[in-house]
Amino acid sequence: EPEVTQTPSHQVTQMGQEVILRCVPISNHLYFYWYRQILGQKVEFLVSFYNNEISEKSEIFDDQFSVERPDGSNFTLKIRSTKLEDSAMYFCASRGEESPLHFGNGTRLTVT
Amino acid sequence: AQKITQTQPGMFVQEKEAVTLDCTYDTSDQSYGLFWYKQPSSGEMIFLIYQGSYDEQNATEGRYSLNFQKARKSANLVISASQLGDSAMYFCAMRERQGGANSKLTFGKGITLSVRP
Repeated sequence: EPEVTQTPSHQVTQMGQEVILRCVPISNHLYFYWYRQILGQKVEFLVSFYNNEISEKSEIFDDQFSVERPDGSNFTLKIRSTKLEDSAMYFCASRGEESPLHFGNGTRLTVT
Repeated sequence: AQKITQTQPGMFVQEKEAVTLDCTYDTSDQSYGLFWYKQPSSGEMIFLIYQGSYDEQNATEGRYSLNFQKARKSANLVISASQLGDSAMYFCAMRERQGGANSKLTFGKGITLSVRP
C-alpha cells in the first residue's frame, strides 16, 4: 500500500539554525498538509497546500515557516530560524479527492 | 468553543473485551466528516475509520465501529475484542466542508487506551 514518507525521522538542531523537513506524499494525492505535535499534546494544524499554493495556514505558521513542492513529488517544510519551542513531532499528510488523510511517520525535531 | 472534545483522560480495558472511546464535536456545517486515528508509542498516526455526516449507517472497519449520533453530535469509537496491540493514544478528528475541498482536520486532545492482559 502506498504511503507518505518523511525524512529524517529525527533531526537535532541548534536554536537559530534553519531546518528543512522533507516529505514524499502519496503519488496521486492532491492535497498536502503539515501538522505538528508537541510531546504529549494534541495534533495541531500548520498549513495546507493545493495546486502549488498555500490554501490555509494557522497562527503557528508565521514568517519563520515556509513550504515548497519543488519538483512534483517532494513537499518540504522549512523553519528559517528555529526556536526551542519548535521542538515537536512534525507530520506530513496527504489525501486524494475523497480519501482520508494519510500521515507520514513524522520527523521528531529537537531544538537545543 | 472546542471543535472536538475528548474528555476521557485514560481508559483501561481487559483483553478481549469491548471498549468505547468518547468523542463529541461542534460544527454549524451540514456536511462534515469524522475520523479516528490511532497513535501507538512509536508515534505514527494510523487512520482507523471514517464517518460522513450524511451516512445513514454507522461505519465499521473490522473490529472498529463508529457509534454516530448526529443529534447529540457524538462519534464514539467502539473497539471490540481488544488486543494488547490496541494500547495507544486515539484521536478523534473532524473535517468541515465549509473550509473548502482541502479543509483541514481538527483534532481532539486524544485518549490513552491501555489493554490489560
